[in-house]
Amino acid sequence: GAGVSQTPSNKVTEKGKYVELRCDPISGHTALYWYRQSLGQGPEFLIYFQGTGAADDSGLPNDRFFAVRPEGSVSTLKIQRTERGDSAVYLCASSFGPYNEQYFGPGTRLTVT
Amino acid sequence: AQRVTQPEKLLSVFKGAPVELKCNYSYSGSPELFWYVQYSRQRLQLLLRHISRESIKGFTADLNKGETSFHLKKPFAQEEDSAMYYCALKEDSGGSNYKLTFGKGTLLTVNP
Repeated sequence: GAGVSQTPSNKVTEKGKYVELRCDPISGHTALYWYRQSLGQGPEFLIYFQGTGAADDSGLPNDRFFAVRPEGSVSTLKIQRTERGDSAVYLCASSFGPYNEQYFGPGTRLTVT
Repeated sequence: AQRVTQPEKLLSVFKGAPVELKCNYSYSGSPELFWYVQYSRQRLQLLLRHISRESIKGFTADLNKGETSFHLKKPFAQEEDSAMYYCALKEDSGGSNYKLTFGKGTLLTVNP
């Protein structure tokens, strides 16, 4: 079946602009995660959704970052007033439940110029 | 806070040689440990987890709680093993046992 998909695959934006990154999880997976991977680093946890609610958003770096999952499926990560330091690959993962294997998407490479 | 350390950024071996990718962790409880792999132009995928105690693609990893290590080993490396390898940890309790903490990764190159 289809894996986790993310759009766009690449996004170039100017400093100060607003961006939205989309994640389509595997059908039936109730748990969804966002991670951020900066150059030379491993993925770092941002936020975890169980169903529609954000069960843990402790990894969001500041209030410019926000994520939603209104119908318990697709999720959107929103970044306001982008900064050059936001440049990274944003990874989405989903799992059947929080204790099950996480399946990763291909990532969105965000470049802030 | 938990931490995962992969001391080698790069590791290069010849085909047929043994390979060991090191991973050390710091966590006060009993964590669940994983190895993830990312082949060129592919997505991150799970290679193995310590609780399943199985060998995947010839790789094994043993959790050593005394040394807080989870090194990945393969006796005879193949060229197709060339990839980025990440060690990761999940807490065993405390309400955060869904969150993966990753190391910085080791790029393994297997030369012909």
